[in-house]
Amino acid sequence: AQTVTQSQPEMSVQEAETVTLSCTYDTSESDYYLFWYKQPPSRQMILVIRQEAYKQQNATENRFSVNFQKAAKSFSLKISDSQLGDAAMYFCAYRSSATNKLIFGTGTLLAVQP
Amino acid sequence: NAGVTQTPKFQVLKTGQSMTLQCAQDMNHEYMSWYRQDPGMGLRLIHYSVGAGITDQGEVPNGYNVSRSTTEDFPLRLLSAAPSQTSVYFCASSSTGKNGGRAEAFFGQGTRLTVV
Repeated sequence: AQTVTQSQPEMSVQEAETVTLSCTYDTSESDYYLFWYKQPPSRQMILVIRQEAYKQQNATENRFSVNFQKAAKSFSLKISDSQLGDAAMYFCAYRSSATNKLIFGTGTLLAVQP
Repeated sequence: NAGVTQTPKFQVLKTGQSMTLQCAQDMNHEYMSWYRQDPGMGLRLIHYSVGAGITDQGEVPNGYNVSRSTTEDFPLRLLSAAPSQTSVYFCASSSTGKNGGRAEAFFGQGTRLTVV
């Protein structure tokens, strides 16, 4: 069975600085998707970024980028120029292309200091 | 553009009561799922469905029932509520990602359920 591990329960960053959130996963599959979701205090789940496993190029979305290391099964999220609105819980997620099941890590709570 | 509609937002139940959490999506997604979110444990998969008439168990299915009679609806039933089922519940839907479809999940607003 696939698993997703987020080893940083909490992180803190100064406004305008850069922070990297870690995620590792375990799978024997070669075709899958990886995601980062943001959950602010409103508890709404918001997609931050998506990565297809077959793509070697790292995904980017404005200030958000990933470092996808398929062999190492690592999928970290980098937030550049951090803003107060980035403060939230961040979840890493894995989706199997074979079963379509989407599983999550335990989350990293990011605080942004002014 | 409704997306995923999940009701209710809040609910308090007494131990032993039953209830149904409603979930509907208007995006013609094949895949729908239910999660519970507990502090420090992330989102754990309860049940999921890959299409009408097809459901399967996730990581924590005990005490919950689902059915999928239509593509749009995927209700979650608590048969006899227990305090251990106090949690925040999320419904999600997605396409399979094939044929150019987007693979990410779209979520409902969540239901905060308290069982006393």
